[in-house]
Amino acid sequence: DAKTTQPPSMDCAEGRAANLPCNHSTISGNEYVYWYRQIHSQGPQYIIHGLKNNETNEMASLIITEDRKSSTLILPHATLRDTAVYYCIVGSNAGGTSYGKLTFGQGTILTVHP
Amino acid sequence: EADIYQTPRYLVIGTGKKITLECSQTMGHDKMYWYQQDPGMELHLIHYSYGVNSTEKGDLSSESTVSRIRTEHFPLTLESARPSHTSQYLCASSEGLIQETQYFGPGTRLLVL
Repeated sequence: DAKTTQPPSMDCAEGRAANLPCNHSTISGNEYVYWYRQIHSQGPQYIIHGLKNNETNEMASLIITEDRKSSTLILPHATLRDTAVYYCIVGSNAGGTSYGKLTFGQGTILTVHP
Repeated sequence: EADIYQTPRYLVIGTGKKITLECSQTMGHDKMYWYQQDPGMELHLIHYSYGVNSTEKGDLSSESTVSRIRTEHFPLTLESARPSHTSQYLCASSEGLIQETQYFGPGTRLLVL
């Protein structure tokens, strides 16, 4: 499995954009980048995923570098409710089997303050 | 909004008891997962299933067992609970297509006395 590296913690002011970086230098060509978050030990919540192109949905934007070795999750207008642990995960589909495995690391603790 | 449910949400039980944690999803997903997470720690995959009658052990060794008799149901059983089993157990499901978007339930917090 490709591994990811994230900063352990980040702060952001409410209303400002939160930019969460992730390095995944060993990502292979068919692996997706996923972002999940976990609020106060609830079940993790899917945010967004991408393969090569930048992606945007109602929650966030995902910017993937051209070499795919890093990505940034952008929360455009962070609120207090966005305080959570954010996980950057590279999805592994080993050998084209039907099993897709997600390995959750330590993630980044994002604290949004007033 | 994901339709995946776990019961009970909280369970306090004595050592040696048999327990079953329930997980159900109404999305028709083929793949289901159980994760274990201690407070402040990483999630670890303990079991997964490709579909009915398919179960596999995950990355973290667990004394629990699972079954998958119906697509929508993936219960986890501990035959004899011990204090070391105290943890949060999270169930998830996914469509099982190429990209892996997993939907999580709210979790069961287990305390074994």
